[in-house]
Amino acid sequence: ETGVTQTPRHLVMGMTNKKSLKCEQHLGHNAMYWYKQSAKKPLELMFVYNFKEQTENNSVPSRFSPECPNSSHLFLHLHTLQPEDSALYLCASSQERQGQFGYTFGSGTRLTVV
Amino acid sequence: AQSVTQLDSQVPVFEEAPVELRCNYSSSVSVYLFWYVQYPNQGLQLLLKYLSGSTLVKGINGFEAEFNKSQTSFHLRKPSVHISDTAEYFCAVILDSGGGADGLTFGKGTHLIIQP
Repeated sequence: ETGVTQTPRHLVMGMTNKKSLKCEQHLGHNAMYWYKQSAKKPLELMFVYNFKEQTENNSVPSRFSPECPNSSHLFLHLHTLQPEDSALYLCASSQERQGQFGYTFGSGTRLTVV
Repeated sequence: AQSVTQLDSQVPVFEEAPVELRCNYSSSVSVYLFWYVQYPNQGLQLLLKYLSGSTLVKGINGFEAEFNKSQTSFHLRKPSVHISDTAEYFCAVILDSGGGADGLTFGKGTHLIIQP
C-alpha cells in the first residue's frame, strides 16, 4: 500500500468515449500531480495541483481535463483520445510543492486507446 | 530548465555482482536529486534522495548513491545484486527553490537485468 491509490488499474477505451481516471491519497499531502509514462520516453509531467489550485499545465491537449475537488482527490477526465495517448498514467503527491521529501506515486492506470 | 541523462538504457548484471547505474544532470541552480525504482506493473518507489550534507547517501534495499557536484553526477550503486532487483530505475531532479514549472524531472530510465 503506497498511500496513493489509482483506479482503474487498466482501461480500454474507444476514441469517441469519455472516461475518467481517479487518484486518491491519504497522506495529508498538499500537492498532487499527473504524469504520463510512454514506452521509450521520459515521464512527462502533465498537471500540477497545489492546495487544490492548478499551477502548471505543460501544454497538454484539451482532450485531457484535470479536476481536483479537494487535497485528497485528483481526477483526469478523458475524451476523444488518440491511439498515441495510450500509456501508463501515474498520479503522485508530495508534502508541499517543493517536493524535497520526494513524491509518492500510485500504481498507475494502463490506458489503451483503440 | 533542468534535465537528467541516464546513459544506459539497459544494464545486464550477473547475480551477486556489483552494479552502477549512471545519472548526470544539468541545471543552472541547485537541485535535489532522487533515485526511484519501478517494478513491473507498479508505480515508482523512492530508493534514496540527496538534499544536502554528506555526498554519499544510503537508501533502501542496499542501494547507495554519491553526489558529485563538479561532475554533475548522481550514480547509483549496489555491491551485490539479487534477482529481485530486476526493475526500471529512474534518476530525477527538482529545483531546491520550490519545484519550479517542471516539477520533478526524470531521466529516461535504466532497465536493470539480473542474470542468474
